[in-house]
Amino acid sequence: DAMVIQNPRYQVTQFGKPVTLSCSQTLNHNVMYWYQQKSSQAPKLLFHYYDKDFNNEADTPDNFQSRRPNTSFCFLDIRSPGLGDAAMYLCATSSLGTAGETQYFGPGTRLLVL
Amino acid sequence: DQQVKQNSPSLSVQEGRISILNCDYTNSMFDYFLWYKKYPAEGPTFLISISSIKDKNEDGRFTVFLNKSAKHLSLHIVPSQPGDSAVYFCVGGKNYQLIWGAGTKLIIKP
Repeated sequence: DAMVIQNPRYQVTQFGKPVTLSCSQTLNHNVMYWYQQKSSQAPKLLFHYYDKDFNNEADTPDNFQSRRPNTSFCFLDIRSPGLGDAAMYLCATSSLGTAGETQYFGPGTRLLVL
Repeated sequence: DQQVKQNSPSLSVQEGRISILNCDYTNSMFDYFLWYKKYPAEGPTFLISISSIKDKNEDGRFTVFLNKSAKHLSLHIVPSQPGDSAVYFCVGGKNYQLIWGAGTKLIIKP
C-alpha cells in the first residue's frame, strides 16, 4: 500500500543533543511537509518542500533544518533540542494538482527531550 | 490571527445520534476546506473535503456543509458510532498550503 512512513515512532534525546527524524513516502508526491504538534493543538507547519524547493515558515526557529535528498525521503534535523521542542512531529505529503490538495500524514514521531 | 476557528473544544454525543461539528473562517481566499480526524498517537487522517464553489459534499455517514456568506462550515456525522470518537480538525486550503483549526474532541457515548 502506498503510504507515508516515519521513523522512529518514539525518539528520546538529551537537551542540546542533535537529533534527526526521518520520513519516507511511496506515493510519489511532489510536496512534503513537516509539522510540529503539541498536546491537542493544531499541527503547526514548520516548512515544506515543493520538489527540491525549500519553503520555511517565517516563525520556524533556526534550530530546525530539513533535507530532501530525493522525492521519497525527507529529514527533520533539530540541531540543539530544548525542552520546549518535545512534541509530536508529523510528516505529510501532497500531490499538487489533486482536487482538494489532500495531505497524507505519517503516524508521527513523538520526541522526548530529557 | 486565527483564520480558521473551531470554538467548541469538545462535543459529547449519544451513539446513533447526529454529531455536528462547526467551524468558522475569516479568510475568503480559501479554495477548499478539509476535515481531518485524529486518534491519539496517530497522524491526522483525511476525512472529507469541499471545494469553495460547492455548498455540500456527502460521503457515506459524513456530510460537510459550506455557507460562504456566513463563512461557516459544518461536518455532520450520522449515525454517530463509537469509532468516531476522535479529534476533528477543520482546515482551510489555498493552493497546497493548509490553515488548521484548533480541533474539536468528539466523544461518542454508548
